[in-house]
Amino acid sequence: QKEVEQDPGPLSVPEGAIVSLNCTYSNSAFQYFMWYRQYSRKGPELLMYTYSSGNKEDGRFTAQVDKSSKYISLFIRDSQPSDSATYLCASSRIQGAQKLVFGQGTRLTINP
Amino acid sequence: KAGVTQTPRYLIKTRGQQVTLSCSPISGHRSVSWYQQTPGQGLQFLFEYFSETQRNKGNFPGRFSGRQFSNSRSEMNVSTLELGDSALYLCASSPRGDAYNEQFFGPGTRLTVL
Repeated sequence: QKEVEQDPGPLSVPEGAIVSLNCTYSNSAFQYFMWYRQYSRKGPELLMYTYSSGNKEDGRFTAQVDKSSKYISLFIRDSQPSDSATYLCASSRIQGAQKLVFGQGTRLTINP
Repeated sequence: KAGVTQTPRYLIKTRGQQVTLSCSPISGHRSVSWYQQTPGQGLQFLFEYFSETQRNKGNFPGRFSGRQFSNSRSEMNVSTLELGDSALYLCASSPRGDAYNEQFFGPGTRLTVL
């Protein structure tokens, strides 16, 4: 079993829709949770980062972590065609925090 | 400020050969991590270097090795290449590498093993 599980999709939604992306993790020692976006032929770029449980909002993006259920979510409001990319969730422990464990990635397409 | 650079961007090798990939971190960043990305396994952590010392290591065979120089530049080497080593190899740098620092990824080196 992978430590971080993510549905690879693909996911296709119309422009303007609310997108919900989800991951589950199994390692209770994970304390840092991130969402990366990766465009084709590019390296991943950090979208959101949270420490422990809670919500974090940045513009159209909201990240949620529920440590009791080991569930990580990313919501995208008013989705745009430019949001079309692969979204990767990642987690890490406090010890060795730079060792990120990634989910498989979800390929998202926003249709105009 | 220049981003993380990786060279070469594309590489074709044959089975049994060895390869060296290079990563130049963002100026001032001292932690460099390497990841392998494949369609089947996704992004997997290879190792992390900080101040020329390997600090963390993933679950890869000993054919995969790396090093970091005093200027924080890093190289990774894969010996006795196998077909399954075909992947995008990503390098990421972060300022200090203590607790969590944002990792900035380079564009990757796409390695094809024939």
